[in-house]
Amino acid sequence: SQQGEEDPQALSIQEGENATMNCSYKTSINNLQWYRQNSGRGLVHLILIRSNEREKHSGRLRVTLDTSKKSSSLLITASRAADTASYFCATSGGGGADGLTFGKGTHLIIQP
Amino acid sequence: DTEVTQTPKHLVMGMTNKKSLKCEQHMGHRAMYWYKQKAKKPPELMFVYSYEKLSINESVPSRFSPECPNSSLLNLHLHALQPEDSALYLCASSQGGGAGGYNEQFFGPGTRLTVL
Repeated sequence: SQQGEEDPQALSIQEGENATMNCSYKTSINNLQWYRQNSGRGLVHLILIRSNEREKHSGRLRVTLDTSKKSSSLLITASRAADTASYFCATSGGGGADGLTFGKGTHLIIQP
Repeated sequence: DTEVTQTPKHLVMGMTNKKSLKCEQHMGHRAMYWYKQKAKKPPELMFVYSYEKLSINESVPSRFSPECPNSSLLNLHLHALQPEDSALYLCASSQGGGAGGYNEQFFGPGTRLTVL
């Protein structure tokens, strides 16, 4: 079953601008991850944040996690046309061999 | 090698056919997964294998039968499917390792299945 909501469902911005996506979830988690999917193909792991972490950076990506509000945000800075994709948050309640529960996703379009 | 491969890329089958989807990874991962993704929807977990044993079955109908012949291979056997089973089937793997691990998953490109 789906864990929660992401907003916005679709986002269109100009190249060079920052893009922010939000994710909410319902149950307690071990970690939260963000994935990118291009054109309905395989997903690519972007970043993982543990339940005891509040913020994490990786290149142009910044993720925050607020476990009291059961929410996370993904910020992509200085967007590029190649960032056009669908972005999903995914939660895991367990450890190393636990399936992921995905949010509904945000479709991001970067206008050149 | 950080790749998960899936075959075939596309599959069209009738409701009476039997077919299999294949997935392979050579990263030494001990956990493997099948997900189903309908158009414009997020992936939904179907099965989890940990150390070659089925550990999670998300109440998937028996017309889907998973198999893990060894630690690198994962199959999904299909029989008597319905048109509503048409979807993208994604395989993934992760290091595994029990409750203390973290399950960053590596996904294959998927098999796009059409059931006529």
